[in-house]
Amino acid sequence: GNSVTQMEGPVTLSEEAFLTINCTYTATGYPSLFWYVQYPGEGLQLLLKATKADDKGSNKGFEATYRKETTSFHLEKGSVQVSDSAVYFCALPPFQGAQKLVFGQGTRLTINP
Amino acid sequence: DTEVTQTPKHLVMGMTNKKSLKCEQHMGHRAMYWYKQKAKKPPELMFVYSYEKLSINESVPSRFSPECPNSSLLNLHLHALQPEDSALYLCASSQADLLAGGNNEQFFGPGTRLTVL
Repeated sequence: GNSVTQMEGPVTLSEEAFLTINCTYTATGYPSLFWYVQYPGEGLQLLLKATKADDKGSNKGFEATYRKETTSFHLEKGSVQVSDSAVYFCALPPFQGAQKLVFGQGTRLTINP
Repeated sequence: DTEVTQTPKHLVMGMTNKKSLKCEQHMGHRAMYWYKQKAKKPPELMFVYSYEKLSINESVPSRFSPECPNSSLLNLHLHALQPEDSALYLCASSQADLLAGGNNEQFFGPGTRLTVL
């Protein structure tokens, strides 16, 4: 079945550091891929998405490139801020008969001033 | 309006109480979802409504009873809950149902934090 493996956290960085959160997926074919973010005390928000291989999703300074060769969708940001502290979920939407949005385990990110 | 709203924000209830969670969206979406999220875990799908009909029940105990009165509203009726049911309950909606696949983004509400004493 479809699955997502996400880098284990928690991750703690200083402000202005470079961020990478790894995500790899298993699926037959080429599904869309999502990153969701959950700020403390809130629901999930779609951060960015890519709908086909080699697409790059970007939003709020975050980027992720859909790499079919490595079945990866790693999240990156060049200079993180305290306000980026949140939990990040890589997700695989329903694809080829699957019925669920499949989430990774989530990575808790804390940015210190 | 690209918002999913949920009420109440917080709810504390005893094991003998009956309460309801409410969710509303005005994006014209035809699929709506209930998720349960425990601390430090991803959301777990509970129910899916597609065109106001229940299409997926992920083997959820009968003490949780969903209802979709119309295309904009989704309720979750709670009765005789257990302390282990304490969690964040998230509602979401999407333009089409899960089986439409593809670029089917789900929009999430802020959640109701439920505590069962």
